Amino acid sequence: QVQLQESGPGLVKPSQTLSLTCTVSSGSISVGGYFWSWLRQHPGKGLEWIGYIYYSGSTNYNVTLKSRLTISVDTSKNQFSLNLRSVTAADTAFYYCARSGSNGFFDNWGQGTLVTVSS
Amino acid sequence: QSALTQPPSASGSPGQSVTISCTGTSSDVGGYNYVSWYQQHPGKAPKLMIYEVTKRPSGVPDRFSGSKSGNTASLTVSGLQTEDEAEYYCNSYAGSSNFVVFGGGTKLTVL
Repeated sequence: QVQLQESGPGLVKPSQTLSLTCTVSSGSISVGGYFWSWLRQHPGKGLEWIGYIYYSGSTNYNVTLKSRLTISVDTSKNQFSLNLRSVTAADTAFYYCARSGSNGFFDNWGQGTLVTVSS
Repeated sequence: QSALTQPPSASGSPGQSVTISCTGTSSDVGGYNYVSWYQQHPGKAPKLMIYEVTKRPSGVPDRFSGSKSGNTASLTVSGLQTEDEAEYYCNSYAGSSNFVVFGGGTKLTVL
């Protein structure tokens, strides 16, 4: 089955940009019918959907993060990426990439990566 | 505050059954048959256990079952085993704009 792996800095300074990449293996990101999402989980808290991208480049973002968020895709590298601007301590969380269908269930997840926002 | 409401905790003894509820609105749980459930062990990524209210992915034991009535979905774990002790999250499709909403999670303890 498809595998996902997050990568990126574990520490980001306040006001800077959080950037993460998800590499997809054992399957193509360009297969139609799947949405490629970012989610996060504040330590000890529940899950929050951040946004998704389709292989064509179309996106859908959580309205609460939309003004700071860009998700992009690189089909040649089988990767998609997250950029979250102007971060604060409230953005400290475990960040997951995951695959879903159009009806919103996530069947494949990356292992997650902790990003801490601190000076 | 999460969009879907789950009890913070649930418990049962090995062999028993436990049911976890997930309450939303007509804009999410009640409006679509697209509720899913995830199991998360400490330090691990969530794992899909139930999708489209009642369906089990390959490899998920049939001890796990899902149902829905109105705006409330439920996950039942029958024949509890110690390895079932974990956090469980529900989520629901919430339309093309909002996409999905999650519950706050339920800590299942196997006594």
